[in-house]
Amino acid sequence: QKEVEQNSGPLSVPEGAIASLNCTYSDRGSQSFFWYRQYSGKSPELIMSIYSNGDKEDGRFTAQLNKASQYVSLLIRDSQPSDSATYLCAVSYTNSGYALNFGKGTSLLVTP
Amino acid sequence: ETGVTQTPRHLVMGMTNKKSLKCEQHLGHNAMYWYKQSAKKPLELMFVYSLEERVENNSVPSRFSPECPNSSHLFLHLHTLQPEDSALYLCASSLNAGGLEQYFGPGTRLTVT
Repeated sequence: QKEVEQNSGPLSVPEGAIASLNCTYSDRGSQSFFWYRQYSGKSPELIMSIYSNGDKEDGRFTAQLNKASQYVSLLIRDSQPSDSATYLCAVSYTNSGYALNFGKGTSLLVTP
Repeated sequence: ETGVTQTPRHLVMGMTNKKSLKCEQHLGHNAMYWYKQSAKKPLELMFVYSLEERVENNSVPSRFSPECPNSSHLFLHLHTLQPEDSALYLCASSLNAGGLEQYFGPGTRLTVT
């Protein structure tokens, strides 16, 4: 069973702080990693993809991948109330064909 | 706007009805997907099409029947559904199938009465 684990939260951070979202996965053969943001009642929106160990930055977002420890994280700097959403981690496994395996998501609440 | 559209956005149907969900992508992608999202559960992949050929079917009940007439359009035909099929049905597309960024449509909120 290939699993993607996320803390369901809610994770509450004050406006302007750094929000740190974590995701662990079970299969060492995983190759592609994605973070999606989903507002309540809306569909998932791709915000970051990462394929190799290390950090990848895009604006206020930084994705971090550590394949040896099998975790991927998302940092949101200068958090804004508009960042309040559920963040989904998705992992593509080597032998899973075409599937992205999603975690259940972490709910983030940024308080003014 | 991701370039993936879905209609209808909301659907209420009885268990004996037949309806279809439609998805269209304007991104020039070659792969399209149907996902089901239920409350408190991870997204569940239902079907994958690559260049109009179904390449994955994740043990989905036969009351769900997909159709992909071309690489831009994807349908999900529904018949004799059960109340537990009520969920958000999401269409996604990617440049090619397998491990690439997938872009989701707005979804169809389905309620089976």
